[in-house]
Amino acid sequence: SYELTQPPSVSVSPGQTARITCSGDALPKQYAYWYQQKPGQAPVLVIYKDSERPSGIPERFSGSSSGTTVTLTISGVQAEDEADYYCQSADSSGTYIFGGGTKLTVL
Amino acid sequence: QVTLRESGPALVKPTQTLTLTCTFSGFSLSTSGMCVSWIRQPPGKALEWLALIDWDDDKYYSTSLKTRLTISKDTSKNQVVLTMTNMDPVDTATYYCARIESVDYGFDYWGQGTLVTVSS
Repeated sequence: SYELTQPPSVSVSPGQTARITCSGDALPKQYAYWYQQKPGQAPVLVIYKDSERPSGIPERFSGSSSGTTVTLTISGVQAEDEADYYCQSADSSGTYIFGGGTKLTVL
Repeated sequence: QVTLRESGPALVKPTQTLTLTCTFSGFSLSTSGMCVSWIRQPPGKALEWLALIDWDDDKYYSTSLKTRLTISKDTSKNQVVLTMTNMDPVDTATYYCARIESVDYGFDYWGQGTLVTVSS
């Protein structure tokens, strides 16, 4: 079955750049999406179609794609960015999948 | 303003059937491209996609759970209903409904989620 693989955790100091990766065999053919989830809250879409940013999402959030890996980059990380981040994609049959999530810690 | 709200029982017994309702406003599920999905999250664990229904009444299910899930919509009531049969304690989770406005746009609006505990 199709899987999306993320690192369990990423740590970064305030003001630095955080990069969270997501790997999956179908990613060259399917768009990836990224969600931010803070404790006790519903997820929030921060990147769609690999690299597009919804309105209201700060410019420090960006996405990129290369082969079977997509990357969420947070430039100039702030304390408020500490959260769990999930990548999501779909397969050709119309079913959706989430990665295992990455906990971003701001030191 | 788009909103979604999940409702249903907070506690179900093993082997029972769970019925959850997503009531939404600010959009119509009869609009071309519109979809509503169910996603769950066990305590402390990752998100898991369950099912999706689109404006054309096409339905899609998680491969691993498809035999237990049924998704339906009532466009006049702005509601999407998910049923899950044969509930087990491992199904204890927060269940979310979320919207996709159009293909390729992602789950852009989510409900706050409802915690369902499976226990005898």
